[in-house]
Amino acid sequence: GNSVTQMEGPVTLSEEAFLTINCTYTATGYPSLFWYVQYPGEGLQLLLKATKADDKGSNKGFEATYRKETTSFHLEKGSVQVSDSAVYFCALSDRAGGGNKLTFGTGTQLKVEL
Amino acid sequence: GAGVSQTPSNKVTEKGKYVELRCDPISGHTALYWYRQSLGQGPEFLIYFQGTGAADDSGLPNDRFFAVRPEGSVSTLKIQRTERGDSAVYLCASSPTVGTEAFFGQGTRLTVV
Repeated sequence: GNSVTQMEGPVTLSEEAFLTINCTYTATGYPSLFWYVQYPGEGLQLLLKATKADDKGSNKGFEATYRKETTSFHLEKGSVQVSDSAVYFCALSDRAGGGNKLTFGTGTQLKVEL
Repeated sequence: GAGVSQTPSNKVTEKGKYVELRCDPISGHTALYWYRQSLGQGPEFLIYFQGTGAADDSGLPNDRFFAVRPEGSVSTLKIQRTERGDSAVYLCASSPTVGTEAFFGQGTRLTVV
């Protein structure tokens, strides 16, 4: 079956530091890949997505590239802000738009300090 | 409404009781999903509806769990004979149709004591 593995947190960084959150997946076929973010007190929000190999998803300064050869979708940001503090979830779906079932990782908490 | 609405936001119930959790999707969204998120874990798929019918209920853990969406809009997740292990945040999401971006509600935190 499908599964997603992401690095454990919490990850604590100083403002303007570089961020990487690792995500690898196991899936049959050709899944779509997603990063969701959950800010304190809010619901899950789609951050970015990629639907095929070598696609790069990007939003709000975050990027992730769909690497089929390494089955990875690592999240990166060049300079984090305090407002980026949240829990980040890597996920995959068998359908391009994320409909049907989403399989999530366990989440990585990011704390950004001044 | 502007987003997916879930009620109640918190529910405490005694072991063995019956509970209903409600989800109001974004108006016009035909696809609706239920997930369960235990402490320290990612959300786990339970069931999804396309219109009024359950298109995939393979994530429901056992026959104590049931969900309906009789008019293709509001959905209710029903849990019979609750157990302490059912304690979790139950998330609802909707999308314009299957295969498009899903928008999540803030969830119902269920605590079984």
